[in-house]
Parts: sequence; structure tokens; C-alpha cells
Amino acid sequence: DTAVSQTPKYLVTQMGNDKSIKCEQNLGHDTMYWYKQDSKKFLKIMFSYNNKELIINETVPNRFSPKSPDKAHLNLHINSLELGDSAVYFCASSRGDEFNEQFFGPGTRLTVL
Amino acid sequence: GQSLEQPSEVTAVEGAIVQINCTYQTSGFYGLSWYQQHDGGAPTFLSYNGLDGLEETGRFSSFLSRSDSYGYLLLQELQMKDSASYFCALPRGDDKIIFGKGTRLHILP
Repeated sequence: DTAVSQTPKYLVTQMGNDKSIKCEQNLGHDTMYWYKQDSKKFLKIMFSYNNKELIINETVPNRFSPKSPDKAHLNLHINSLELGDSAVYFCASSRGDEFNEQFFGPGTRLTVL
Repeated sequence: GQSLEQPSEVTAVEGAIVQINCTYQTSGFYGLSWYQQHDGGAPTFLSYNGLDGLEETGRFSSFLSRSDSYGYLLLQELQMKDSASYFCALPRGDDKIIFGKGTRLHILP
């Protein structure tokens, strides 16, 4: 059984387009995240939701909008895509315990042309 | 704020032992975690140290010294499949976790 799943796995699009990435977890976790990993492998948190409520919103352009329809889903919508948005986007979930183990999805490789 | 420092690359020989160091700065400490990421894959959790000392899980061990703000990941009996990036990370008490920039481990046959 897949624990954290994301779709699509690859996304190639033109500058200026709008795109969405979907994420689902079947672990029963209350907290879900979006991370961006750039070409240098730096893994940076973007957003965190706890039980459908936004908890963390790092310094991310407001072109990025997360939406959590329920605690098992956290989607990421990106407007007006720019070249610098090209990266791998990981969804993750956690139990929210003391060591906050992150369970990552397989990632979505976004390429903006 | 919080920050972590780890070497960008480490090279070792198959069958040997390698240590990946991590130093950190944080105002509130909730432990130090380690993650492994293979090329093209997702990060996966390896270990967590909340208290000083060594935690062992098979061929991997992780060490923490809170007084030195320092930890390391020790990989023994290296195998080619251990070639990956390794991240140290600081969990926080607010659902957030900060990752280091990662150490790329190269293993030579």
C-alpha cells in the first residue's frame, strides 16, 4: 500500500501557465507538508497543514497556494509559473510526535520551459 | 534561528566505515534526525537522537552530543547501495523540521 502518493510524477509546462500537484496520504497523520528541492538538493519546507489548517507558510511567493480538502489530502496550485519554479516538489506527512518523522511522497519533478 | 552544517561530499570504499558529521545551531532543541535520499528518490527517515549517545540500527548508527551541538551518522560495512545523499535535520516543536543541505556519499568499489 502506498503511504504518501503524489500526482503527477513529472510535469513539463510553459512559463506563465497554472498547474496543480495532488497529494494523498493513507497513514492517518494529522500533519502534511509541501517541500521544494532545488537542483542543489536543498530541501526547503514551503507549507504545513495540521488537520486541514495552515500552520506554516514559509517565505513562498503567493503564486503558490496549498489547499487541504481533508486531512488526508494536500494539493499545491501554482499560478503564473516561472523558470525558477523548476524543482522537485515533495509532499510529506507526519504523526506530529517529538521527532516529527517525515514520510515523503515520491516527488513531482516540475520543469518550466 | 536554526542552521545545520554538514560536508557537501564524502567518499569511501566499499566495505569500509564512514562518518558524516553535522553541527547545528538552534534556540530550542528537540533532537537530531537523519534521512537518506537516493538519486531520483524521496528522502526516507533513518534515525533520531533525542538524548546524548549512540543509537544503532543495523549497519547504521547515529550519535549526538548536545553540549557540542554535534552529531554524526556512522555507516559500517559500506555497500554500493549506500551511495546516496544524507541529510541531518532538526525537528522543532511546531510541526516544522529544518534540513541540512545534505552530504553526498560516493562509494568506490
